Amino acid sequence: DAGVIQSPRHEVTEMGQEVTLRCKPISGHDYLFWYRQTMMRGLELLIYFNNNVPIDDSGMPEDRFSAKMPNASFSTLKIQPSEPRDSAVYFCASSSGPFMSYGYTFGSGTRLTVV
Amino acid sequence: QKEVEQNSGPLSVPEGAIASLNCTYSDRGSQSFFWYRQYSGKSPELIMSIYSNGDKEDGRFTAQLNKASQYVSLLIRDSQPSDSATYLCAVIGGSNYKLTFGKGTLLTVNP
Repeated sequence: DAGVIQSPRHEVTEMGQEVTLRCKPISGHDYLFWYRQTMMRGLELLIYFNNNVPIDDSGMPEDRFSAKMPNASFSTLKIQPSEPRDSAVYFCASSSGPFMSYGYTFGSGTRLTVV
Repeated sequence: QKEVEQNSGPLSVPEGAIASLNCTYSDRGSQSFFWYRQYSGKSPELIMSIYSNGDKEDGRFTAQLNKASQYVSLLIRDSQPSDSATYLCAVIGGSNYKLTFGKGTLLTVNP
């Protein structure tokens, strides 16, 4: 299995622009999670999906952030408009269940820089 | 009170020594506990999971769980320079399925 695949690996954009981050989970995993990591706040859960349905988006910082999962093999996290404080590493992770012994598998992350 | 707390370190140990990493959590109903390792610039990778009170050993790693004290620890025996990384404690809460992370402890193993 290729693991969780995220794109792009790096994104540099200007303030006010729209940013779209992409994720392909591991085949057969029916849970998908979006996390954001910063030095100050560590890893924060933004939103998670079960069987393509958003279950909990309480971690989404504000309305500028939105996430979709149109099918079992693809999810997007969109920021519109982007701000410098959105600069962080965004990770996607997937799991075949919330209590599975092998936990969550993370993608390589997208490093977002908003200038 | 933060949900998952770790000493940020850095923790520095000599090669061959035992490294001890600690974590406390606030949700008494938590069921599942994990340790992730994150090298600089890389994604977190799962190294240990534990669900029951007591010790769980896997090679040089031992996870310890004490639910009464709401305490999880990770021991790394015969520490190697390649163990130098940030170690993240993560907990799945009792009332939701969200994996909540501590901020991590930076471990440096000196040759």
